Amino acid sequence: EAGVAQSPRYKIIEKRQSVAFWCNPISGHATLYWYQQILGQGPKLLIQFQNNGVVDDSQLPKDRFSAERLKGVDSTLKIQPAKLEDSAVYLCASSLARRRQYFGPGTRLTVL
Amino acid sequence: GESVGLHLPTLSVQEGDNSIINCAYSNSASDYFIWYKQESGKGPQFIIDIRSNMDKRQGQRVTVLLNKTVKHLSLQIAATQPGDSAVYFCAENRDYGGSQGNLIFGKGTKLSVKP
Repeated sequence: EAGVAQSPRYKIIEKRQSVAFWCNPISGHATLYWYQQILGQGPKLLIQFQNNGVVDDSQLPKDRFSAERLKGVDSTLKIQPAKLEDSAVYLCASSLARRRQYFGPGTRLTVL
Repeated sequence: GESVGLHLPTLSVQEGDNSIINCAYSNSASDYFIWYKQESGKGPQFIIDIRSNMDKRQGQRVTVLLNKTVKHLSLQIAATQPGDSAVYFCAENRDYGGSQGNLIFGKGTKLSVKP
């Protein structure tokens, strides 16, 4: 079974620029999550989708971050404009059974 | 605030020895716990999970122990191998309403295996 796919793997941008990340979950997984992982810390949830509806976006900085999941499959996470403190690894995860989440390889974002 | 934490940030063991990674949680309402392994440059990889109605669960070379009395979780790795070198995270979850709930991660323990 193919795992969670993410692209790009690495991205370097200047502050105030915009960036987008893409995620393709494991086939059949209805729930999709975006996490932010700052170096040396555990992942922190940004947003959770159930099919194409948002379940929890309470920790998403909505003034600059947005996410969508069209047709309940792929998802994109966008940052506009980026700040220096957004430098992190952005992880996508999906789940079928309750709570056991499977993660993708992540996108490492560096904001200069 | 309530969070999942780890007692030790780093752990160094000899190849072939058993490893024990500890985790403390503070939310007594948490009813599901999960361990992940994260190698450098990769996403977290599922190792094993346990529900609060159990106190022990075994997998291949790994055992998770849950002590709800003291809100403590541990991951035991038998016959540790160099390939086990990674950062290990525990995460907690509590079911509420109709949602699956969200995983709350600790900061991680870095396991180094000496040959």
